[in-house]
Amino acid sequence: AQSVTQLGSHVSVSEGALVLLRCNYSSSVPPYLFWYVQYPNQGLQLLLKYTTGATLVKGINGFEAEFKKSETSFHLTKPSAHMSDAAEYFCAVRLGGSYIPTFGRGTSLIVHP
Amino acid sequence: DVKVTQSSRYLVKRTGEKVFLECVQDMDHENMFWYRQDPGLGLRLIYFSYDVKMKEKGDIPEGYSVSREKKERFSLILESASTNQTSMYLCASFRNTEAFFGQGTRLTVV
Repeated sequence: AQSVTQLGSHVSVSEGALVLLRCNYSSSVPPYLFWYVQYPNQGLQLLLKYTTGATLVKGINGFEAEFKKSETSFHLTKPSAHMSDAAEYFCAVRLGGSYIPTFGRGTSLIVHP
Repeated sequence: DVKVTQSSRYLVKRTGEKVFLECVQDMDHENMFWYRQDPGLGLRLIYFSYDVKMKEKGDIPEGYSVSREKKERFSLILESASTNQTSMYLCASFRNTEAFFGQGTRLTVV
C-alpha cells in the first residue's frame, strides 16, 4: 500500500523568502514521486518527478525536490518565492508496478508582497 | 504537447438528473482516470480505464459509472445527480510515469 502525507494545508511566505512544502510517503517498495501545481480554476500541471537516479530533482519555475529514502520524504523547495507561485501544490506517489498514483491532500501556498 | 480536454468548465444540474462529463485526450494514451477534488480532501480516484471498454473502480465509485468506447474518450456518468456530488472533477491520461490533466469541470448540483 502507498500513502502520502503533506504537512500543512496552508503555507504562507513573503515574496523573496524560501519556500518549503513538506511531503512524506509510505511505500513498501521504491516509489515514483511527483509534485504537481494547480493554479486557480485550472487542472494539475507536473512540476517535477523522481523515478530513479539522482535524488535531487529540478523542475519548472525554479522548484526542486530531494528524495530522502531514510526519511521517506520528498520536500519541495524554492529559494525565492514569487507572487506567481501562489497556488495549490500536490505531492503524489506511485509504485513501480502500478500505474495508479496516490495524491496528498494538497498544500495551498500563499505569497505575501 | 499532450492535450486533455474536458467538455465543460462549469455545469449546473438539478438533483436527479443524469449527468455526462466528457474527456478527450489526443496522445493515444491507454490509461485514463477520473478524479474528484474537494477542499481538504485532495484528489480522490473515482474510476480508471487501462484500455477501451475496460474499467476499474477507484476509491469512491458509488453513484458514478464510466464509459470508454474509444481510446481517446473517457466519460464519467452521474446516474442520478445528488447535491453531495457538487465538486470539481478532473480527468487525466497517463503516459509512462506522468499524468496529464484536463482543466477540470466544476459541477454544481442544485
